[in-house]
Amino acid sequence: DVKVTQSSRYLVKRTGEKVFLECVQDMDHENMFWYRQDPGLGLRLIYFSYDVKMKEKGDIPEGYSVSREKKERFSLILESASTNQTSMYLCASKSRTGFYGYTFGSGTRLTVV
Amino acid sequence: KQEVTQIPAALSVPEGENLVLNCSFTDSAIYNLQWFRQDPGKGLTSLLLIQSSQREQTSGRLNASLDKSSGRSTLYIAASQPGDSATYLCAVSPDSWGKLQFGAGTQVVVTP
Repeated sequence: DVKVTQSSRYLVKRTGEKVFLECVQDMDHENMFWYRQDPGLGLRLIYFSYDVKMKEKGDIPEGYSVSREKKERFSLILESASTNQTSMYLCASKSRTGFYGYTFGSGTRLTVV
Repeated sequence: KQEVTQIPAALSVPEGENLVLNCSFTDSAIYNLQWFRQDPGKGLTSLLLIQSSQREQTSGRLNASLDKSSGRSTLYIAASQPGDSATYLCAVSPDSWGKLQFGAGTQVVVTP
């Protein structure tokens, strides 16, 4: 069964901490994405990557960075966590061919206190 | 800027009824449209993907139609079951890279 695995289901971090959210896919997909989901705002794209070491900003990149050193792994980094980054974070991957749809991870619910 | 709207925001039906969920988008220049299901506190499960050149896709009890020129898609779920209770999201992609613009979702409750 193909998978996108997010390393943590729940995280609680303190304001100002550097936070790493990890995502691994086993489908050899080229494209990977990080979204955040908030009540009333829906899902919004933070960053995406279309190849190793390649990244593009999404709609809300401020306060975040990403790393993709290997094809299967895409990390989201909160440089200095703030309370307004409390959210559900969802990682996804897809094949570059575009014919097939997305596969999403189960999500990481991050609380910044 | 692409805007995706889903109506209604919430829907409650008795078991056995057919469900009709609507999605509209403002920019018809889409590459594809995808329907997802989300259970509370969980990630998204892909249900159906419709390419811009297609009019509909079917999978089991699910059928999704696409009218690109009018900016609309409809998800039909036949003979609803309590297990269909979830939030249903539609999302459009402008190109093959796959960035998605999501609607806010329709929360569905199917009562036994």
